Amino acid sequence: DAGVIQSPRHEVTEMGQEVTLRCKPISGHNSLFWYRQTMMRGLELLIYFNNNVPIDDSGMPEDRFSAKMPNASFSTLKIQPSEPRDSAVYFCASSYTGRNEAFFGQGTRLTVV
Amino acid sequence: EDKVVQSPLSLVVHEGDTVTLNCSYEVTNFRSLLWYKQEKKAPTFLFMLTSSGIEKKSGRLSSILDKKELFSILNITATQTGDSAVYLCAVGTQGAQKLVFGQGTRLTINP
Repeated sequence: DAGVIQSPRHEVTEMGQEVTLRCKPISGHNSLFWYRQTMMRGLELLIYFNNNVPIDDSGMPEDRFSAKMPNASFSTLKIQPSEPRDSAVYFCASSYTGRNEAFFGQGTRLTVV
Repeated sequence: EDKVVQSPLSLVVHEGDTVTLNCSYEVTNFRSLLWYKQEKKAPTFLFMLTSSGIEKKSGRLSSILDKKELFSILNITATQTGDSAVYLCAVGTQGAQKLVFGQGTRLTINP
């Protein structure tokens, strides 16, 4: 199994631009999570989906952030417009529904200048 | 609010030493406690514990959970330089599937 696949691995963008991060979960996993990691705040859950349906988006910082999961093998996290404080590593993780052990992708390091 | 606290935040030891990492938690509707190892990039899953007093073991790593005192420890014996990483503790709750992470312990093993 290829594991959770994220793209791009690195993204540098200018403030105000739209950023789209992509994730392919492990085949057969039906829960998908988006986390953000910073030095100050550690790993924080932004949103998670069960069977492509958003269950909890209480961690999404503000309306500039949105996430979709159009099918079982693909999800996106979009930031529009981006701001320097959005700079962080964004992780996608997946698991079987009802199971706590989640498996993480390699992350996308986002830098907004 | 659910909270997970790890200690120490940073630890430097010599190769061959034994280390103990701590994780305490305050959560409603506890379900499981998980340990992850994070080297350069992605956190990788180590253990999941759900029952008190039952040790989980994988090679030189072992972990145990105390649900009465609300903590877990991760032991690493005969440490090697490859054990250098940030070790993350996370707690899962009943109902919600999300994990609440601690801030991590940065472990450095010097040769």
